[in-house]
Amino acid sequence: DGGITQSPKYLFRKEGQNVTLSCEQNLNHDAMYWYRQDPGQGLRLIYYSQIVNDFQKGDIAEGYSVSREKKESFPLTVTSAQKNPTAFYLCASTSYTRDQPQHFGDGTRLSIL
Amino acid sequence: GDSVTQMEGPVTLSEEAFLTINCTYTATGYPSLFWYVQYPGEGLQLLLKATKADDKGSNKGFEATYRKETTSFHLEKGSVQVSDSAVYFCALSATSGGSYIPTFGRGTSLIVHP
Repeated sequence: DGGITQSPKYLFRKEGQNVTLSCEQNLNHDAMYWYRQDPGQGLRLIYYSQIVNDFQKGDIAEGYSVSREKKESFPLTVTSAQKNPTAFYLCASTSYTRDQPQHFGDGTRLSIL
Repeated sequence: GDSVTQMEGPVTLSEEAFLTINCTYTATGYPSLFWYVQYPGEGLQLLLKATKADDKGSNKGFEATYRKETTSFHLEKGSVQVSDSAVYFCALSATSGGSYIPTFGRGTSLIVHP
């Protein structure tokens, strides 16, 4: 079955450490997205990519970085510059048409040690 | 820019009650409209969608009608179950300048008691 796989499900970060969250899709979608969700809050866009080797900042990109070397993969790195990284991170993808929904992974919960 | 406004939650209902979650939008283009559902600890799943005015999306007893004249897409269900307890997100998508960035509401938490 096609879908989006995020890993790991739970991740712990030490002070001063960079961590990378994985997102892989086998839906042949062009566009991929990273969102941050805090308790009781909606989704905030971190980065998005419409095509391989290109990506754009979203509303809260500071302290995060991404790459898009393959169509299937869009990893997110939470750097030590992100001072409040504890949150639920969601990856999504979609074909690039107005009437198609986003498909979401099951998320990664990141906590500080 | 585009925006989506949902009623604030939590919405608390007894089993078999009627559900309405209000959603209104503003968009510069002609958007498609979506409702997503999120269960605890999971990602969002598409619940239903509508792509043009007067379309009705439906799934699992939930319905929503695309009302262009009132810029609304309210979610309804005639008889809720405990298993419907989740967070519901209204969203729109419209292409603008070649970009495709869906816009989400803040989500409405639904709690259904037995």
